[in-house]
Amino acid sequence: DTGVSQDPRHKITKRGQNVTFRCDPISEHNRLYWYRQTLGQGPEFLTYFQNEAQLEKSRLLSDRFSAERPKGSFSTLEIQRTEQGDSAMYLCASSRGTLYEQYFGPGTRLTVT
Amino acid sequence: AQSVTQPDIHITVSEGASLELRCNYSYGATPYLFWYVQSPGQGLQLLLKYFSGDTLVQGIKGFEAEFKRSQSSFNLRKPSVHWSDAAEYFCAVGARSNFGNEKLTFGTGTRLTIIP
Repeated sequence: DTGVSQDPRHKITKRGQNVTFRCDPISEHNRLYWYRQTLGQGPEFLTYFQNEAQLEKSRLLSDRFSAERPKGSFSTLEIQRTEQGDSAMYLCASSRGTLYEQYFGPGTRLTVT
Repeated sequence: AQSVTQPDIHITVSEGASLELRCNYSYGATPYLFWYVQSPGQGLQLLLKYFSGDTLVQGIKGFEAEFKRSQSSFNLRKPSVHWSDAAEYFCAVGARSNFGNEKLTFGTGTRLTIIP
């Protein structure tokens, strides 16, 4: 396993700008998750993909957020019109299926100024 | 909805001493329980997991955890900590929702400091 990778590792943007993050899961994993982690908190679930289908979204995912997973491989998370409250670590995880552990990537730390 | 409580925000122990990190969960059915560790600048690494069976589970790096249904607890233990164990520890409960989503609900974490 080469592990879950995320790009970029850090992103600083100005309020109102759009940002896009990429996650490359472990190759044979069909399930992909996005979580958000703010300072002093545990990760919170954002959205879930099984292959290319986005099957669940959290209420935390406002309409400024959109996620895709074309062809069931890598995934992107886009935030439009960023706000300071979007500053957080965005974590991606993948798993092989039911009752398999989720492997987490190193995260993308977003700072909105 | 499921929830996880980690009552200790920060714990300091001496190197070589024993460790116990507390975790209480709330979930209506049999939970899937996990402990993850996060070092600065690193992603989350799974230490151990409980799905069913033996309530005492062994993990990596010498950690173990005991599932106690009557107390809704899943405390993490290590008999002798090493300086490299300093990190943030998260307890999580996994629950299957519709579409097979096994999203994790995490506690707020316990930061572990090791003193010489």
